[in-house]
Amino acid sequence: GDQVEQSPSALSLHEGTGSALRCNFTTTMRAVQWFRKNSRGSLINLFYLASGTKENGRLKSAFDSKERYSTLHIRDAQLEDSGTYFCAAARGSALGRLHFGAGTQLIVIP
Amino acid sequence: DTTVKQNPRYKLARVGKPVNLICSQTMNHDTMYWYQKKPNQAPKLLLFYYDKILNREADTFEKFQSSRPNNSFCSLYIGSAGLEYSAMYLCASSREDTGQLYFGEGSKLTVL
Repeated sequence: GDQVEQSPSALSLHEGTGSALRCNFTTTMRAVQWFRKNSRGSLINLFYLASGTKENGRLKSAFDSKERYSTLHIRDAQLEDSGTYFCAAARGSALGRLHFGAGTQLIVIP
Repeated sequence: DTTVKQNPRYKLARVGKPVNLICSQTMNHDTMYWYQKKPNQAPKLLLFYYDKILNREADTFEKFQSSRPNNSFCSLYIGSAGLEYSAMYLCASSREDTGQLYFGEGSKLTVL
C-alpha cells in the first residue's frame, strides 16, 4: 500500500510568499529525501535527512521519524522555484530503497 | 564529482525489440538503482545492485534484467519492449551506509 502521503498535490504561490509541503508516513521511516524534478524529468537532490532540520537558502526541511512526517518550507518564492517536488523515504536496512510521494506541482505566479 | 551518467538520453524502440540502457558513476558507491518514472506518477523502483548482489522488485522481476560488471557501471535490459515500457528510466547510486541517492539525467524510452 501507499506508505508516503504527500500534500498538497498542487500549489500556487505569489512571488515573495512562502508555504510548506508535507509528507506523512504510514510507518516509521529511517530517512527522508526531497527532490525537485528538472526540465528533463530527472530528480535533483534538495535535502537528505535522517533526523532534525536542514536549511539551504530559501528552503528548509524537517523530518520527525517518531511523528512520521517531513516538511519542506519554501520562503520568498521565486519564479524559478516552479516545478514538481517529491519527497521519498526509506525504511528498513536498504536506505536507498525509496518510497516516493506522489509529488507537489508548484507554480509561482508573478 | 557527484555525477551519475546515463546513456542514451533518448531511445526509440520498436515493440518486441530489445533495449539496453547504461549508467555509470565514479563516486565509488556500493549501491546502484534503476527507477521508472512515468508522467504524473511517482518514480517506481525496478531493481538495485548492492555490490554484486541484484535485488529485483517482485512486480518487475521478469520484465527487467540488469548487470553490473564493475562497481562503476550498471545496465538495464529489456528483452522485448512493449508499449507500456515507454517511460523515463532513472539510474541512481548511493553509499549503503547513508542511502542518499544521486540521480542521473535519465534515459527517455519511447516504444512505438
